[in-house]
Order: sequence, then structure tokens, then C-alpha cells
Amino acid sequence: GNSVTQMEGPVTLSEEAFLTINCTYTATGYPSLFWYVQYPGEGLQLLLKATKADDKGSNKGFEATYRKETTSFHLEKGSVQVSDSAVYFCAKLGGGSYIPTFGRGTSLIVHP
Amino acid sequence: EAGVAQSPRYKIIEKRQSVAFWCNPISGHATLYWYQQILGQGPKLLIQFQNNGVVDDSQLPKDRFSAERLKGVDSTLKIQPAKLEDSAVYLCASSLAGKETQYFGPGTRLLVL
Repeated sequence: GNSVTQMEGPVTLSEEAFLTINCTYTATGYPSLFWYVQYPGEGLQLLLKATKADDKGSNKGFEATYRKETTSFHLEKGSVQVSDSAVYFCAKLGGGSYIPTFGRGTSLIVHP
Repeated sequence: EAGVAQSPRYKIIEKRQSVAFWCNPISGHATLYWYQQILGQGPKLLIQFQNNGVVDDSQLPKDRFSAERLKGVDSTLKIQPAKLEDSAVYLCASSLAGKETQYFGPGTRLLVL
């Protein structure tokens, strides 16, 4: 298979809450994994990435660890802010396919 | 550094009409991608260029969609004729040759009536 599956949204949290957005993938090999963020009215921006197993990508307080054994790349943040409200996309590239593959996106809404 | 530019930002057409989108990638980026993002879904790759050559167009509906990048810089994506199900946001992205990180433009939102 060649797919990326994300948890359905919207995820609604209060400010300073802990965030987890689940992402799993299927691939024949070992792809590079990405999280992109899309703020309202804007294009996608790379948030973080990991290129091999056990690598941890991090940026702006967000983290995700490449877990080969569970084929997962869950996004986490210890304390979300209102400004983190956006749509988050998990993606992969490589690992048997050279076509970039994106998940459906997970909307995050953070209330003050 | 200027980002990926796309125009128009919005377009409304009737079914069976034609439409074209334009993309100007980041200067020096050899790889250019066109994606279709239907509401509620992730971006789906339509076509990928390396300079002015096509790397992959396996997911491009070639009976109605076409794309070109004649001089290896700007690119245009055309739909002719449009169908209702083509309503989506069309995203352009670019990257340095051999690099995985893509930089996305703001997209063109197409509505087909």
C-alpha cells in the first residue's frame, strides 16, 4: 500500500492543553515523513520532518518521532496556543513510491 | 526571498468552460509540483516537473488536464473542459533538485458551476 492516515478532526482544545494528532502510513520501504501546517487562507508550510527510523523532528514546540515498528509519526505539543489553530497534514515521500502522499488533514481549534 | 506565486487566487467558471492557472516557483528551484486539494482532503499530486521535463503525471486526468513548464521556470495548468468535480484548490509547490522539502504557494481556489 501507499497511504497516509490521520485522525479525524476537528480537534478542539483549550489553550495550554497537550496536543496529539495521530498519523500512520503504509509503505514498502522507509519513507521520509513530514508534518505540514496550513493556516487559514494560506498555503501549506513545512512544520517538521524525519528521514529515518527513530529520528525526531521538532519545530515551534511541536515534535514527532519516526516509529518504524508501528509505522507512525504522531504530532505532539506540550502546550498549545490559540495561534496554533490550523489544519495539520501528515505526508510521506519515498519508501517504494516517489509520489508525495498526504493525509486528509486534521483541523485543530484552540480556544482561549 | 520571494515565495511561490500563483494566480489567480480565485476563479469561478461554468462546466465545460476552460481555465488556466499560473505558477512561478522560488528562484532556483528545479522541481515543480501541481496538486489538487478537494475540500476535506489532503493534496493529491497531479504532475511533477524537473526543470522542463515531466517526472510523474500518473495521476493527471489527461483527457482534460494539461500542464507545461516550457522554459523550466513558470508553469501553467489547464483544464479543458471543466467538470463540477474539478472544484478544488490547485496548489503549486517547488523544491530544490534532489531535496524533499516542498514550498507551497497560496493556491488557486476553483469553483465550477
